[in-house]
Amino acid sequence: GAVVSQHPSWVICKSGTSVKIECRSLDFQATTMFWYRQFPKQSLMLMATSNEGSKATYEQGVEKDKFLINHASLTLSTLTVTSAHPEDSSFYICSARETPRGYTFGSGTRLTVV
Amino acid sequence: KQEVTQIPAALSVPEGENLVLNCSFTDSAIYNLQWFRQDPGKGLTSLLLIQSSQREQTSGRLNASLDKSSGRSTLYIAASQPGDSATYLCAVGANTNAGKSTFGDGTTLTVKP
Repeated sequence: GAVVSQHPSWVICKSGTSVKIECRSLDFQATTMFWYRQFPKQSLMLMATSNEGSKATYEQGVEKDKFLINHASLTLSTLTVTSAHPEDSSFYICSARETPRGYTFGSGTRLTVV
Repeated sequence: KQEVTQIPAALSVPEGENLVLNCSFTDSAIYNLQWFRQDPGKGLTSLLLIQSSQREQTSGRLNASLDKSSGRSTLYIAASQPGDSATYLCAVGANTNAGKSTFGDGTTLTVKP
C-alpha cells in the first residue's frame, strides 16, 4: 500500500534557527501534498497545499515567509520553519494524494522550540 | 465548508467494555473518511480508511461504519483494553480538491484496568 515517510519524527531546536521537515511518498508519485498543524489540545488544521513544480497555496492566516514549502519532485515535499520561536512548537503532519485511495498521511513531526 | 464533530470529547470505560465513538460531518460529498489514533506526544496511526462507496471497514477489534447520507461515522471498539487508551481522530477527505482533509477535535479514550 501507499506509504508516506515523514522525517524527523521529533526535533528540538533553539529559538531563531530554522528546521526542515521532509515528507516523502515512497511507492507512488504525489503531485499534491498537504501540510497540517496541530496546536496543543486542538484538532489538526490544514496549513498549505504543496504542488509539485509550483508555489504552495497557503490557508488564511498562515505566514508563507515563515513556513516555506518546497515540492521539487513528485516524491518529496519539505516544510521549513524559519526563525523558529517557541510559539511554533507544534505537531506537523503531511499527507499525499494517491489515486484512487485518496491520501496517505505521514506519521508526523513534533517540533519543540526552546 | 466542511465541519467535523466528534462526540464525546472524552470517554472513560472499564477494561473489557465495548464502546462506540462518533464522528459527524456537515457535507456529505466526501471522498473518504479515516480514523486515526494519536498517543500523547506521538504521531498519528491510521486505523481504518473507508472510501465513500463503502459502508464499513473492520480490522481486528475495530469496526468503522460510514453513513454518508446522514453525515455520520462510528468507530466501534470491542473488548477494550488499557492499551486502547489514546485520542481517536476522524478525518474527512473532500470530494473536491481531493486530498484535503478536515479533522475532528478527537475523542480521548481512557480504558481503566
